[in-house]
Amino acid sequence: ILNVEQSPQSLHVQEGDSTNFTCSFPSSNFYALHWYRWETAKSPEALFVMTLNGDEKKKGRISATLNTKEGYSYLYIKGSQPEDSATYLCAFDGGATNKLIFGTGTLLAVQP
Amino acid sequence: EAGVTQSPTHLIKTRGQQATLRCSPISGHTSVYWYQQALGLGLQFLLWYDEGEERNRGNFPPRFSGRQFPNYSSELNVNALELEDSALYLCASSPGGLSFPQHFGDGTRLSIL
Repeated sequence: ILNVEQSPQSLHVQEGDSTNFTCSFPSSNFYALHWYRWETAKSPEALFVMTLNGDEKKKGRISATLNTKEGYSYLYIKGSQPEDSATYLCAFDGGATNKLIFGTGTLLAVQP
Repeated sequence: EAGVTQSPTHLIKTRGQQATLRCSPISGHTSVYWYQQALGLGLQFLLWYDEGEERNRGNFPPRFSGRQFPNYSSELNVNALELEDSALYLCASSPGGLSFPQHFGDGTRLSIL
């Protein structure tokens, strides 16, 4: 059974704080790692697809890094804003599994 | 450009009935994915269709089935509904293959009474 774990489960920060959370995935048979943002009452929105060890991707104040050898990815949010409040999901593509395996997400709440 | 659209938004059924959920992908996308999110659980992979063919199915019983039409839209059918089938069903599309980001619809909330 392939497990994708995200930590912490939830996070409360103040507006302006920078924050980060972790996605852990199997380090063997890696093909790609996806990050999605899911705001309440909306549909999940793709943030990044990362494929290479050492990859770093950035979108505005959000960035992500990837370590395929040890099986983890970090998502960073710089200067959190209330509109960043959402559940952040990572999903692992192991190639041969022929599907995305999602973690249960990190729920971020940014207080004004 | 229109996003992924799903219908209906809500569906209420009773045990033993059959449900049909529909999904229209973004224009030009050939892959359609179906996911289930039951209460308290993460997104669980159900089915992947690409170019009209089923590419993979998740660990769900055979009463969950679907198809993809020539225009790449898709249906998810659930037969002999059980109480535990109550969930949010999300459809996503991509240009083809798992290396592309997936674009999600707003989902169908299926409630079994």
